[in-house]
Amino acid sequence: GAGVSQSPSNKVTEKGKDVELRCDPISGHTALYWYRQSLGQGLEFLIYFQGNSAPDKSGLPSDRFSAERTGGSVSTLTIQRTQQEDSAVYLCASNLQRGANNEQFFGPGTRLTVL
Amino acid sequence: SQQGEEDPQALSIQEGENATMNCSYKTSINNLQWYRQNSGRGLVHLILIRSNEREKHSGRLRVTLDTSKKSSSLLITASRAADTASYFCATDLLGGKLTFGKGITLSVRP
Repeated sequence: GAGVSQSPSNKVTEKGKDVELRCDPISGHTALYWYRQSLGQGLEFLIYFQGNSAPDKSGLPSDRFSAERTGGSVSTLTIQRTQQEDSAVYLCASNLQRGANNEQFFGPGTRLTVL
Repeated sequence: SQQGEEDPQALSIQEGENATMNCSYKTSINNLQWYRQNSGRGLVHLILIRSNEREKHSGRLRVTLDTSKKSSSLLITASRAADTASYFCATDLLGGKLTFGKGITLSVRP
């Protein structure tokens, strides 16, 4: 079956512009996660959606970052007024449910470059 | 600070040798997972070990968990050039989200 997909695969933008990154999770997966990976670093948690519960936004680095998940499926991560330090690979993952000891399935990521 | 920290940061071995990678973490966990990443893009899940397990095998992979020392190790036996990648440990604190280390770069020379 289809895995997690993300678009675009690469995004180059100018400082100060807004960007939207999209994630299509695996069908039926109720949990969706966004992570950020800066060059040569590990993954930094950003936000987590689980079903209809309020999202866990504890990892968002500033109020310029926001995310929504429509209809319990597709998610969009929005970065407003981008800064050069926002340049990173943004990874989305999904799995079946919270606390089920399930692995997370990752998409290929969106490489964001802010000039 | 990172919950999980891998050791060593980089490892270079000859094809056919075994590769051992270590991970230490700071707080109690629900489970610990190892992932592989090729070319800085999507991660692939390798193996998960629950907090009440001590050792687990999957093919050429063997993972151990010592909760008293808050540490885990991943052993790849009979390594292949295709095992060249970055390896990450990630801890699940029963909140759903994973906390990752900075990763280990493994190079397997043919």
